[in-house]
Amino acid sequence: EVQVLQSGAEVKKPGESLNISCKVSGYNFLSYWIGWVRQVPGKGLDWVGIIYPGDLDIRYSPPFEGQVTISVDKSVNTAYLQWDSLKASDTAIYFCARLHSDYTSRYFDSWGQGTLVTVSS
Amino acid sequence: DIQVTQSPSSLSASVGDRVTITCRASQSISTFLNWYQQKPGTAPKLLIYSASTLHSGVPSRFSGSGSGTHFSLTINGLQPEDFATYYCQQTYKTPPETFGQGTNVEIK
Repeated sequence: EVQVLQSGAEVKKPGESLNISCKVSGYNFLSYWIGWVRQVPGKGLDWVGIIYPGDLDIRYSPPFEGQVTISVDKSVNTAYLQWDSLKASDTAIYFCARLHSDYTSRYFDSWGQGTLVTVSS
Repeated sequence: DIQVTQSPSSLSASVGDRVTITCRASQSISTFLNWYQQKPGTAPKLLIYSASTLHSGVPSRFSGSGSGTHFSLTINGLQPEDFATYYCQQTYKTPPETFGQGTNVEIK
């Protein structure tokens, strides 16, 4: 069974750094893309970016490029989303999800429970 | 970026109703269109991928159709557990693989 488990809620101040995690199990970690999706409370879903653990290929949505860093640790089957300097506008729920991808289809099929990040002075 | 526009943004319906949500892409995306359901306080769940393929475990009252730029999600016989927000997503071109704005299905 595929499982996607995210780290717990975080409360940070503007300018602080943060690393949230997404640990997966039940499948070959190296063979599937992992993605991150942002949801500002009460708003829709924003695609942040994806990473392929097999070769560390990373794609960022333009608004997020340079604002966050996506990485993985293959030894512990975990993906990360990192900020060097948080802003109040980063306040949101961040979901990670496994991306199924082949020649005819591409979709997020297993999602984590979400990590609420609150940035406030 | 490919834009995806969902309509309506919200709708009110009764149990047993047939509900249709549409999604329009700003350029042809073949059938690289997915539908997700999200209930408050929970993660989105995949309903339909490749425009019309029902994900495992999803009830058959959900169906999807379309190709190119016009797509639809239909719920035949709305059930109490179907009241939620629905999102479409294009995965034809990356990055980004954009989501629609969402459609909130409320109880009439």
